[in-house]
Amino acid sequence: QQQVKQSPQSLIVQKGGISIINCAYENTAFDYFPWYQQFPGKGPALLIAIRPDVSEKKEGRFTISFNKSAKQFSLHIMDSQPGDSATYFCAASGPGGFKTIFGAGTRLFVKA
Amino acid sequence: DAGVTQSPTHLIKTRGQHVTLRCSPISGHKSVSWYQQVLGQGPQFIFQYYEKEERGRGNFPDRFSARQFPNYSSELNVNALLLGDSALYLCASSLYRGPNQPQHFGDGTRLSIL
Repeated sequence: QQQVKQSPQSLIVQKGGISIINCAYENTAFDYFPWYQQFPGKGPALLIAIRPDVSEKKEGRFTISFNKSAKQFSLHIMDSQPGDSATYFCAASGPGGFKTIFGAGTRLFVKA
Repeated sequence: DAGVTQSPTHLIKTRGQHVTLRCSPISGHKSVSWYQQVLGQGPQFIFQYYEKEERGRGNFPDRFSARQFPNYSSELNVNALLLGDSALYLCASSLYRGPNQPQHFGDGTRLSIL
């Protein structure tokens, strides 16, 4: 119940294309869903986050779509750039719990 | 403003030894969490400290312990090191307690066990 399943494991996208990463969770008590970006040798950096009372949140080229009934959420990166090449992690956390559960990560490579 | 700082950046130990990792949170942040990230996987929660008290613990053995100091900096201690403890150890700070606060990560300590 504490798992967050992330797919795909790796993704190759052409420059200018749309990158889509999907995550699914089981625990309906989760109420905060952040996405993190991690470059080699660096710690994860918060990219964008959403709460389940909202179905979509957009910040620049990054959009989270949230489907509460399906217990799924996804990250869309529009106009993908080579500089977006990194590992992306979805995560989930909730009240009463204090730990953030991370997905296994998606390695994104954007071809120039 | 300085971000979350961790020291040392790299460390090599042998099985059975103990290790202390250090973390300084962003100024004003009162909550510190520790995560273990094995190569190719997502970070796994170890501890959260808030106002110098342990507020949460993940599924890690008692060989792992931590503490938070009055200035909100924190130490993670691991005793009787095993080969499987080789990982990147990440510290994250947030302004307040609670999982819904944005967490800011340091760049981690890379621990290698020989």
